[in-house]
Amino acid sequence: EVQLVESGGGLVQPGGSLRLSCAASGFTFSFYEMNWVRQAPGKGLEWVSYISSGGSSIYYADSVKGRFTISRDNAKNSLYLQMNSLRAEDTAVYYCARDPTVTTGISTFDYWGQGTLVTVSS
Amino acid sequence: EIVMTQSPATLSVSPGERVTLSCRASQSVGSNLAWYQQKPGQAPSLLIYGASARATGIPARFSGSGSGTEFTLTISSLQSEDFAVYYCQQYNNWPPYTFGQGTKLEIK
Repeated sequence: EVQLVESGGGLVQPGGSLRLSCAASGFTFSFYEMNWVRQAPGKGLEWVSYISSGGSSIYYADSVKGRFTISRDNAKNSLYLQMNSLRAEDTAVYYCARDPTVTTGISTFDYWGQGTLVTVSS
Repeated sequence: EIVMTQSPATLSVSPGERVTLSCRASQSVGSNLAWYQQKPGQAPSLLIYGASARATGIPARFSGSGSGTEFTLTISSLQSEDFAVYYCQQYNNWPPYTFGQGTKLEIK
């Protein structure tokens, strides 16, 4: 069974930093591209960042570029999001999501974690 | 950036009814469109990809159609578990991936 479990969320002051983790199991993590998607309270979904299976290709939403860093450790079956210079508008539930392109050719988000809440407030 | 617009924002319907949700793209996305369902307190789940292909385990009452800039998600006979928020998402031109703002199905 595919499982994605996020952790690392919490309350942080504006300007602070936080590192999110996503532990993957039930599939060959190293084969799959991965993403972070966030959802502000009561709002819609916003894509945040993408990383290729080997980590060589990385993309960010303009809203987080220069402040967030996505990475992965395929040996540990883990995805990360380092968030620096956090702002109130970064407050959201952060989901990691698997991209099934390697098996389907379709670049969607077929499995999602349960999310971890990041609150940026003084 | 491709802007996705969903309508209506909220739809009040009764169980058993047929419902159609709309999604429009600001430029053509071909058939590279997905639909997701999100229930309260849960992560989104993939319903439809390629505009019309049902994801694994999705009941046949869910169907998607359209191409280019106009898409629809139809639920043929609403069940109680279908009351949720539905999002469309394009994956034709990325980054960034972009989502619609969502349509909430509520019980009438």
